[in-house]
Amino acid sequence: NAGVTQTPKFRVLKTGQSMTLLCAQDMNHEYMYWYRQDPGMGLRLIHYSVGEGTTAKGEVPDGYNVSRLKKQNFLLGLESAAPSQTSVYFCASSYKGHRVTSGNTIYFGEGSWLTVV
Amino acid sequence: KQEVTQIPAALSVPEGENLVLNCSFTDSAIYNLQWFRQDPGKGLTSLLLIQSSQREQTSGRLNASLDKSSGRSTLYIAASQPGDSATYLCAVRRDGANSKLTFGKGITLSVRP
Repeated sequence: NAGVTQTPKFRVLKTGQSMTLLCAQDMNHEYMYWYRQDPGMGLRLIHYSVGEGTTAKGEVPDGYNVSRLKKQNFLLGLESAAPSQTSVYFCASSYKGHRVTSGNTIYFGEGSWLTVV
Repeated sequence: KQEVTQIPAALSVPEGENLVLNCSFTDSAIYNLQWFRQDPGKGLTSLLLIQSSQREQTSGRLNASLDKSSGRSTLYIAASQPGDSATYLCAVRRDGANSKLTFGKGITLSVRP
């Protein structure tokens, strides 16, 4: 049972380059999320999806795009990377996010470390 | 706008001590509150989830309480061990179409042998 898998784990980009982070979950979860974690800022939601083919903006969506073409995958794209996007990115998934009960919680990937120089 | 605060940012205790980690939130209209653990270089692992109608949840040596009216939650760790060293984050969720979790910045706990 792999849970939530993120690729790549580490990446260094030059300013202006583009890249895509891939998140895959094998738990048949409807909800998927992309967060970034920065020192002193905590975890902030970038974009999320409530089902295949849907996406929505979170707190800090600017500079990022997402796609959910398949239920198990949620892609985060940076079209033109900036140094301010240097961060650790976490993908998460949950079953019916806003109806989470004690038996349904949110599962996180292990993170993707991105440095933009 | 919901804000979640965890103070202090870091805590160091000797092994065996019982300890309490605090979490406060500004908007008491929450659906549930969740405590997570994060080990260095890893993702978050859910520890306990408390629904807004509940007062506490227990799992092993961990006990989380919730006082919605005062906007506070505590995570109690009994008989702390070096393996408990990690960052502990609390997060609150509102009901409705926006299922966003609002996280605190976390408390980094170090348990000294």
